[in-house]
Amino acid sequence: KNEVEQSPQNLTAQEGEFITINCSYSVGISALHWLQQHPGGGIVSLFMLSSGKKKHGRLIATINIQEKHSSLHITASHPRDSAVYICAVRLIINTDKLIFGTGTRLQVFP
Amino acid sequence: EAQVTQNPRYLITVTGKKLTVTCSQNMNHEYMSWYRQDPGLGLRQIYYSMNVEVTDKGDVPEGYKVSRKEKRNFPLILESPSPNQTSLYFCASRKWGGMNTEAFFGQGTRLTVV
Repeated sequence: KNEVEQSPQNLTAQEGEFITINCSYSVGISALHWLQQHPGGGIVSLFMLSSGKKKHGRLIATINIQEKHSSLHITASHPRDSAVYICAVRLIINTDKLIFGTGTRLQVFP
Repeated sequence: EAQVTQNPRYLITVTGKKLTVTCSQNMNHEYMSWYRQDPGLGLRQIYYSMNVEVTDKGDVPEGYKVSRKEKRNFPLILESPSPNQTSLYFCASRKWGGMNTEAFFGQGTRLTVV
């Protein structure tokens, strides 16, 4: 069993829909990252969370440390949101060890 | 502009021919890491460095070497590349601040070993 599991693996949506991507992990962590990877490969960090909730524009990320679960929400989805979204957990503070989920491929159609 | 720069972006090479992929960051970050990304396996950490002259193995270090002689540079060296090292490689950096900080990624290097 992977230490970081994402669901769903693939997701299609119509423009404007509310989208949720889930990440569950089985290890103790100091922080969780949500990353976005567009076709063509570049990776961008969207959020880093150690507790609670963060919002940036139409994106919202939440984490429940007790339940070892995080969600990434996209409100009013747009075709430009089409990308792979990757959850990664940082195990111990002050090291650089990350464990990644295998990603959720999102396609938003107009 | 704050960035992590990898070179080259694309590389095709032959088995056994030594190569170096360079990574440079202009943000004075302490932490730097190398990852490889393979279909179905996701991103896996190869090596990381917490500061100059401090490096440590990640999850898949076999066949790779790194060095951190300067804070801004963290090259990845493949002494004798093999076809199973064909992959998409990413370098990343982040600041040490006594707490978790955001990671910045390079644009990736697509390596093919034939």
